[in-house]
Amino acid sequence: DGGITQSPKYLFRKEGQNVTLSCEQNLNHDAMYWYRQDPGQGLRLIYYSQIVNDFQKGDIAEGYSVSREKKESFPLTVTSAQKNPTAFYLCASSLGQYYNEQFFGPGTRLTVL
Amino acid sequence: QQPVQSPQAVILREGEDAVINCSSSKALYSVHWYRQKHGEAPVFLMILLKGGEQKGHEKISASFNEKKQQSSLYLTASQLSYSGTYFCGTDTLGTGGGNKLTFGTGTQLKVEL
Repeated sequence: DGGITQSPKYLFRKEGQNVTLSCEQNLNHDAMYWYRQDPGQGLRLIYYSQIVNDFQKGDIAEGYSVSREKKESFPLTVTSAQKNPTAFYLCASSLGQYYNEQFFGPGTRLTVL
Repeated sequence: QQPVQSPQAVILREGEDAVINCSSSKALYSVHWYRQKHGEAPVFLMILLKGGEQKGHEKISASFNEKKQQSSLYLTASQLSYSGTYFCGTDTLGTGGGNKLTFGTGTQLKVEL
């Protein structure tokens, strides 16, 4: 079955540590996205990528980094520079760049202790 | 800037209708609607494009007023399964933006017996 997988579902880290969230898709989608979701604030775009080896900052990129070495994979690193990293992180992908629905993964809930 | 959604929350009895509004301070090229159930990933409902084209589920109805920079989602004869949080995502960059969406803070909808 085609879809988007994110792992792990729950992640705990100590303050000051970098952590990488995994996102893999087998939908053959060109575009991939990372969103952060906090209670009452909806979805906020962190980074997005339209093609392999290229990505752009979203609205809240500070303290995060990404890579897009393969079409199927778009990992997100939450660095120690992110001041408030505890949140629910959603990865999504879409078929093309423009006017296509985004398919979301199940999300990773990150808690920094 | 995030689009503004109204109402923030609504409770319906099964069979009643509801309208969810999404308003932007910028000109819109497209509006995307998603529904998220608690603890799950958002699911695509509809895309409305500048010029009148729509893509989405047949049972979902929505409108897009380009001049007013607004979109409305119409839920008729509501069912228990309609419960969830509804998000609108706005595209203010057009084809140059790579499907970059800015999401509203959501409308919580609860359908009761």
